[in-house]
Amino acid sequence: DAKTTQPNSMESNEEEPVHLPCNHSTISGTDYIHWYRQLPSQGPEYVIHGLTSNVNNRMASLAIAEDRKSSTLILHRATLRDAAVYYCILRDGSGGGSNYKLTFGKGTLLTVNP
Amino acid sequence: DGGITQSPKYLFRKEGQNVTLSCEQNLNHDAMYWYRQDPGQGLRLIYYSQIVNDFQKGDIAEGYSVSREKKESFPLTVTSAQKNPTAFYLCASSIADGGANVLTFGAGSRLTVL
Repeated sequence: DAKTTQPNSMESNEEEPVHLPCNHSTISGTDYIHWYRQLPSQGPEYVIHGLTSNVNNRMASLAIAEDRKSSTLILHRATLRDAAVYYCILRDGSGGGSNYKLTFGKGTLLTVNP
Repeated sequence: DGGITQSPKYLFRKEGQNVTLSCEQNLNHDAMYWYRQDPGQGLRLIYYSQIVNDFQKGDIAEGYSVSREKKESFPLTVTSAQKNPTAFYLCASSIADGGANVLTFGAGSRLTVL
């Protein structure tokens, strides 16, 4: 079963901020939240990840709810190159075989309008 | 630059033929993965390998086989037993363990059965 829930699609305008939500109500204390994105006909690429605290990098910001049952990927100023499918996944940090069986759902298709 | 190379990018196969997809990485990663993606769908795990000479079935291993004789290489064979092999195949790698370790993906191989 999928561990995360994301909207199927979202739309944004160029140069505006985008907030992509992800629900993970059954997250465990050792699960890291990872975000990847996939451009058409390409392999996914890493965007950002976090455990408890909000995270920022050159691509995006990750806001994690205090109870960790949801998170939001924030693109501060969307560009046409940000149009992609965005995946939110959980990766178990406690070690063991489950750490490797990573499940990617359908993700959120982000459309950016010029 | 370090990365993952998948080949071929496009492959056509007649029904009943086995084909092998290549995946090579120079990131010194211990873990490697194979995913299958169908149009409009997420990624489904076929096989993964935590270390050389060891690999485990993922969620959809039937009709596929792998080997891991070298750290850098994780080829996937799509056998004639795979009933619907037309798909986009993605190889990935990561440092072996730890929830914070991210996946690096290749560009993918698109297999079409004629």
